Order: sequence, then structure tokens, then C-alpha cells
Amino acid sequence: NAGVTQTPKFQVLKTGQSMTLQCAQDMNHEYMSWYRQDPGMGLRLIHYSVGAGITDQGEVPNGYNVSRSTTEDFPLRLLSAAPSQTSVYFCASRAPKGNEQFFGPGTRLTVL
Amino acid sequence: TQLLEQSPQFLSIQEGENLTVYCNSSSVFSSLQWYRQEPGEGPVLLVTVVTGGEVKKLKRLTFQFGDARKDSSLHITAAQPGDTGLYLCAGRDDKIIFGKGTRLHILP
Repeated sequence: NAGVTQTPKFQVLKTGQSMTLQCAQDMNHEYMSWYRQDPGMGLRLIHYSVGAGITDQGEVPNGYNVSRSTTEDFPLRLLSAAPSQTSVYFCASRAPKGNEQFFGPGTRLTVL
Repeated sequence: TQLLEQSPQFLSIQEGENLTVYCNSSSVFSSLQWYRQEPGEGPVLLVTVVTGGEVKKLKRLTFQFGDARKDSSLHITAAQPGDTGLYLCAGRDDKIIFGKGTRLHILP
């Protein structure tokens, strides 16, 4: 089992560029989430999904889009990157009644 | 808006001392969780507490859930340098919301 995988590990964008952060899990988990982590801010929930075809907003959804066409994949899209989106992004997954949420290794994004 | 507040934000103590960190919520969650995060890695779950008044022990770590299920504490006995890290509490329903964390540094 690879667990939760994220690509890329590092990315530098210019303001206004778009990109997709990839997240995949091989544990057949229904629930998946995207968080961003900034110094002194803990992890803030961007979007989450409780199953294929279902997504919902978290605490800081503005500027990000998600879709969930399969159980395995949960990509995060930045349509027009802004310097305020410079952060470390974590994807996570868990079973519906499961306690443990498994995190990917993170993507470090810099927007110039 | 659900909010989890953790205190203190930073804590630096000598090896062998005891410490307690706190997590207070403005809402009731179905459960509260504690995670530990090392630099460059994602958080790893330490414990989940579900029942008001519940106490769980993990070696030198003791976790307590308040009777009203809106606050929790983490007590570390005889802290060791290996305990250094960022400790995050999280409230769990369909989504999991995190506090800002307590950054703990144990000096040898």
C-alpha cells in the first residue's frame, strides 16, 4: 500500500498561473480532505469529500476548486494563483467511521 | 464557526519535567483527536477521545476529554527530547478541524 500520495512535492508559480495539485489514496477511503498549513496557523481545511461525486467547502475554500470523480483521486485546482496561496498543502483520507486520518507528505507551493 | 483554541502556543522545557497543553472548543464535536507533526511530514494521530470525562494513556502521555466534551488536555510526564514536535488537537465530525497547535521543545 502506498497510502496517500501527493504530487508534486514542490512547485513555484507566478501570480495568475493555474495548476492542479494531485492526491491519490489506495486504501479505498470514502473521506478525503485538503488542508493548507501556514506558520502559526495549524492546518486549515480547504475542501473535503465524503465520497465520489460529493464535495463540500471547509474553512478557507476561496480560490480553490475540487472534484471527486473516483474514490481514489481528489485533485485540488488553483485557477489563478495568488501570493496568499503560498503554503504547504496536505491531502488526507479516512474511512467514514474510522478515527485515523492518514496524511500525504505535502506539497510546498510558492506563488511569486 | 467551529473553533479550537490551543494553549500555550509555544513551550520549551527541560528534559525530565512534566507539562500539560490544552485544547478548548466553542462547539461540541463527536470526538476530539490529538496529532503530532514532525518537520516536513504530515500529522500522525496519537489518540481519539469520544466520551466526556474519558482518560487515555499512551506511555508517558495522558489525554483527557472534558465532561462537556468541549475541551481536552494532553499531559506529558518526564518529557524527553524525542517528544519535541508540533501537537495539534482536532475536532471530528464528517470533517476534521484543527487547532493552531502547540510547538513543544524539550531541551536535553
